[in-house]
Amino acid sequence: DTAVSQTPKYLVTQMGNDKSIKCEQNLGHDTMYWYKQDSKKFLKIMFSYNNKELIINETVPNRFSPKSPDKAHLNLHINSLELGDSAVYFCASSQEPGPVNSPLHFGNGTRLTVT
Amino acid sequence: GDSVTQMEGPVTLSEEAFLTINCTYTATGYPSLFWYVQYPGEGLQLLLKATKADDKGSNKGFEATYRKETTSFHLEKGSVQVSDSAVYFCALSAIQGAQKLVFGQGTRLTINP
Repeated sequence: DTAVSQTPKYLVTQMGNDKSIKCEQNLGHDTMYWYKQDSKKFLKIMFSYNNKELIINETVPNRFSPKSPDKAHLNLHINSLELGDSAVYFCASSQEPGPVNSPLHFGNGTRLTVT
Repeated sequence: GDSVTQMEGPVTLSEEAFLTINCTYTATGYPSLFWYVQYPGEGLQLLLKATKADDKGSNKGFEATYRKETTSFHLEKGSVQVSDSAVYFCALSAIQGAQKLVFGQGTRLTINP
């Protein structure tokens, strides 16, 4: 059973399009995250939700809109895609918001390529 | 702001070799430190952590010691196996404010039989 699953695994699209990445966790965790891995391979947090409420928003362009319909899902919608949005996007979850006492469980990533 | 720097990869070793992957950090205060590992085809998972100076985290034969004086958290293993081939990420979490993980760029490790 996959604990944190993201779809799709690969996404190739053109500039200006709108796309969504879905994430689901079956661990019963309260907190979910989106991370972006840039071209230099650094993983940077974008958003964090706890019990469907936004708790971290890291200066991400408002073209990116997370949606949490319930605690088990955190989807990422991206409007008007730009070349610089090309990256690998990772979803993660944890039991509590603080990573010190509650390890993060990551999905396998979605590789987004904007042409 | 807070940051983590790891040694550049990729790193290639033979089975049973000694492994060190260097990690240094910059942070205000005394963060908690982590190593996460990503095996091929899988998501990242926590390998070990240390929450205060001089603490040693250990798991699966890997160890890392929180060195405040050198702001380092180097990952070591005495005898690596082919199954250790993965990408290793060093990370920190500040104590104050929103507790978020700040990652290094990852180090790809390949172990040859």
